[in-house]
Amino acid sequence: SQTIHQWPATLVQPVGSPLSLECTVEGTSNPNLYWYRQAAGRGLQLLFYSVGIGQISSEVPQNLSASRPQDRQFILSSKKLLLSDSGFYLCAWTRTVHEQFFGPGTRLTVL
Amino acid sequence: AQSVTQPDIHITVSEGASLELRCNYSYGATPYLFWYVQSPGQGLQLLLKYFSGDTLVQGIKGFEAEFKRSQSSFNLRKPSVHWSDAAEYFCAVGVQTGTASKLTFGTGTRLQVTL
Repeated sequence: SQTIHQWPATLVQPVGSPLSLECTVEGTSNPNLYWYRQAAGRGLQLLFYSVGIGQISSEVPQNLSASRPQDRQFILSSKKLLLSDSGFYLCAWTRTVHEQFFGPGTRLTVL
Repeated sequence: AQSVTQPDIHITVSEGASLELRCNYSYGATPYLFWYVQSPGQGLQLLLKYFSGDTLVQGIKGFEAEFKRSQSSFNLRKPSVHWSDAAEYFCAVGVQTGTASKLTFGTGTRLQVTL
């Protein structure tokens, strides 16, 4: 069966510090991968998606970037965090049409 | 562009009572529709999905949803709510973009269950 992992589970970072969140998927190959952000009391906003190694599509202009160095690894990064980057970050994957499976998420607090 | 509206931000029901969560979508073609549930601090779990065919779809945990094209709706229902159903529920519409599929989510409905 397939599983999706995210780490760290929680993170507290100062403004201006760098960020690296990691997502890995097991039990499948060549998945489509997604990064979402969920701000407090709001829905999910799609940030990035990837259909293959090195292929990244950005949905909204922002302070973040994404990379896919391996087939089942998806990384969300920032060089300098802003207060507005705080939120709950979710990674998801899919092989079939549309049905996405989500990881447990990373709670990021920027102080 | 597609959009999803969940008009109820917060709903409170008594345990054992029936539940209906509303979802309206806007999309020019036949939609792919989903309901997800999120417990506090957790990821999203897929409850059910509609791709085509029978407009009444059954999901996990006793949930069902009915697709009504004429009303652009995909409401989630459960005949008898359990205290463990307290969570946030998200409706989503899926669209295909090249080789990727993308989901657009509603803002969610928080369900509170009273004993």
